Amino acid sequence: EIVLTQSPGSLSLSPGQSATLSCRASQGIVHNYFAWYQQKPGQPPRLLIYGASTRATGIPDRFTGSGSGTDFALTISRLEPQDFAVYFCQQYGSSPWTFGQGTTVEI
Amino acid sequence: EEDLVQSGTEVKKPGESLTISCKASGYNFNTYWIAWVRQVPGKGLEWMGMIYPSGSDTLYSPSFRGRVTISADRSLTTAFLQWSSLQASDTAIYFCARLGCGDASCLERRGLDVWGQGTAVIVSS
Repeated sequence: EIVLTQSPGSLSLSPGQSATLSCRASQGIVHNYFAWYQQKPGQPPRLLIYGASTRATGIPDRFTGSGSGTDFALTISRLEPQDFAVYFCQQYGSSPWTFGQGTTVEI
Repeated sequence: EEDLVQSGTEVKKPGESLTISCKASGYNFNTYWIAWVRQVPGKGLEWMGMIYPSGSDTLYSPSFRGRVTISADRSLTTAFLQWSSLQASDTAIYFCARLGCGDASCLERRGLDVWGQGTAVIVSS
């Protein structure tokens, strides 16, 4: 099973600042099948990035995914109030699919 | 609009059986994998397994194989998650989600792009 380790566990930032979230995999991700999700309280996760760097439909270009192999990152530029949430990384290249433990971006 | 609508909150006792559902609409149900994901409140996400409705191929996480059954009814465009004997540790929110595809054969996978609203399952004596 591929273990995904996210860092940091939480980030305290202000609107307008940028955030960089990291996710490290215990082994290489097949086909770069790697995604980032945003989750707000009481809601299901929302797909932000798939294939490590492709924005999902309707996701603003403030969200940028990067990386390959075992090291991945999500950068959120010009944070807006609605961006404060929990972010999860996921690999869907090898069974069992796995998620990181999450990074909370808070004000 | 592509949508997944899940059944409502369930409160059960240990040892009872349960089936929750996930109804798809707005897309061809037969040709997209549907996954189930567990979330214990305040905790992270766990992939439980998934089903391809056309052919009913299923994959399970080793953590959940033998504990749950994933099925689908193509005539109802609905996927199901079933327990035969619940435990208190099954208390969680369960999401269904569709695996997005970039081509008809889903050789290009695009993450879990459509999610149900979640079903809360509470198991308590």
